[in-house]
Amino acid sequence: GDSVTQMEGPVTLSEEAFLTINCTYTATGYPSLFWYVQYPGEGLQLLLKATKADDKGSNKGFEATYRKETTSFHLEKGSVQVSDSAVYFCALIDSNYQLIWGAGTKLIIKP
Amino acid sequence: DAGITQSPRHKVTETGTPVTLRCHQTENHRYMYWYRQDPGHGLRLIHYSYGVKDTDKGEVSDGYSVSRSKTEDFLLTLESATSSQTSVYFCASRPGQSNEKLFFGSGTQLSVL
Repeated sequence: GDSVTQMEGPVTLSEEAFLTINCTYTATGYPSLFWYVQYPGEGLQLLLKATKADDKGSNKGFEATYRKETTSFHLEKGSVQVSDSAVYFCALIDSNYQLIWGAGTKLIIKP
Repeated sequence: DAGITQSPRHKVTETGTPVTLRCHQTENHRYMYWYRQDPGHGLRLIHYSYGVKDTDKGEVSDGYSVSRSKTEDFLLTLESATSSQTSVYFCASRPGQSNEKLFFGSGTQLSVL
């Protein structure tokens, strides 16, 4: 079946550092891909998405590009802030319209 | 964002007792979901609903049941709680199957002692 693999955390960075959180997927066809973010004590919220190969999703300074060749959707941000500290989930939507989730990556940004 | 509220936010219960978690949404979304979140597992789908009285199992449905008597309410019941059901439970909804964005509640922290 379809699956999503994320890099294990926690990822700890200093403020203004460059961020990459890796995400790869296994799927039949070319599913839409998502990054969701979960701030402490809150539910998940959609951060960005991409619906086809080579699409770039972006929001709040975060970006991710749908790479069909490497089946990847890595999340990047050029300069992180303390307020970006959260858990980030990569996900895809399968052929039954169900979301398949990665395990989540906790990001800690130190001032 | 969609108004989704979960209750209670926190609950401590004893092994063997029944527990019901409530999810209420005000957006008239047709699809509703219950997930559990555990370290190292991400989100795992317990049950979902695609309309009033229409529900189906997810990947970790054993020990759980659901009911949806109204569009806005989706209840999750642990028939006889076990320690392995200690988790954070999230409810989510979306307007339709082709609407890919999920809207989440703030979660319920359940501890089974």
